[in-house]
Amino acid sequence: GAGVSQSPRYKVAKRGRDVALRCDSISGHVTLYWYRQTLGQGSEVLTYSQSDAQRDKSGRPSGRFSAERPEKSVSTLKIQRTEQGDSAVYLCASATRIRSRGSYEQYFGPGTRLTVT
Amino acid sequence: AQSVAQPEDQVNVAEGNPLTVKCTYSVSGNPYLFWYVQYPNRGLQFLLKYITGDNLVKGSYGFEAEFNKSQTSFHLKKPSALVSDSALYFCAVRDEMDSSYKLIFGSGTRLLVRP
Repeated sequence: GAGVSQSPRYKVAKRGRDVALRCDSISGHVTLYWYRQTLGQGSEVLTYSQSDAQRDKSGRPSGRFSAERPEKSVSTLKIQRTEQGDSAVYLCASATRIRSRGSYEQYFGPGTRLTVT
Repeated sequence: AQSVAQPEDQVNVAEGNPLTVKCTYSVSGNPYLFWYVQYPNRGLQFLLKYITGDNLVKGSYGFEAEFNKSQTSFHLKKPSALVSDSALYFCAVRDEMDSSYKLIFGSGTRLLVRP
C-alpha cells in the first residue's frame, strides 16, 4: 500500500470492555509505534515493537495497553478494561531508517478515534 | 526528561500576513526536531525537521522553522499565510540519547487563517 492504514477509524466502546485497534504499516519498515493523541494534551507513545520479535516495549500507561505483531506489517493495539479516560485518537506510526538521507523517519496513519461511554 | 511545549492553543492570522507557531523543547542530548500538520480526519503529515546543520530549515508548503539552541526553541514560520494553511500543528522532538527513537509531541496549536 501507499501508506499506513488503521481500522476501524471510529470505535465506541462501553467502559470496562476490551478493544482491539489494527494498524497496517508500510512493508519493510522495522519499527511500529502506537501513540495516543488527546486534544490539548499532545501525544504520548504507548508502546512500540520491532520486527525482530513480537516485543511490546510498553510506554505509559502500562498494564492495560499491549501490542501484538502477528505479521511484520500488522500490529494490533489491545486495550483492556477500557476507561472513559481512554477516549482519544490512537495513532500508529511506521518507522524506518532512510540510509541515503541518514535519517530515521516515522509515517503516521490516519488514527482511530476511540470513545468510551 | 524529554518534553515539548506549544504555548499557544490557537493562532489567528490574516491571509497574506506572516505566521509564527511557537515551540520550545527539553531533551537530555542533542534534539532532533520535527513539525507535523494535521487536517481534519487525516493523520499527521510531516512538514520539516532539524537534525543538524543550518539553523533555518525549509519544508513543505512554504513553511520553515528556525532552531535556536540557546532558547531551546524551534518556531514554525511562513512569510505569507494561506487560508488553506488552517489546520492543527504539532511540534515534536526526539532525543538522540533515546534508543527507542520515539517522538515526544507538543499539545498542538490550531492555526486559523482568515480570508
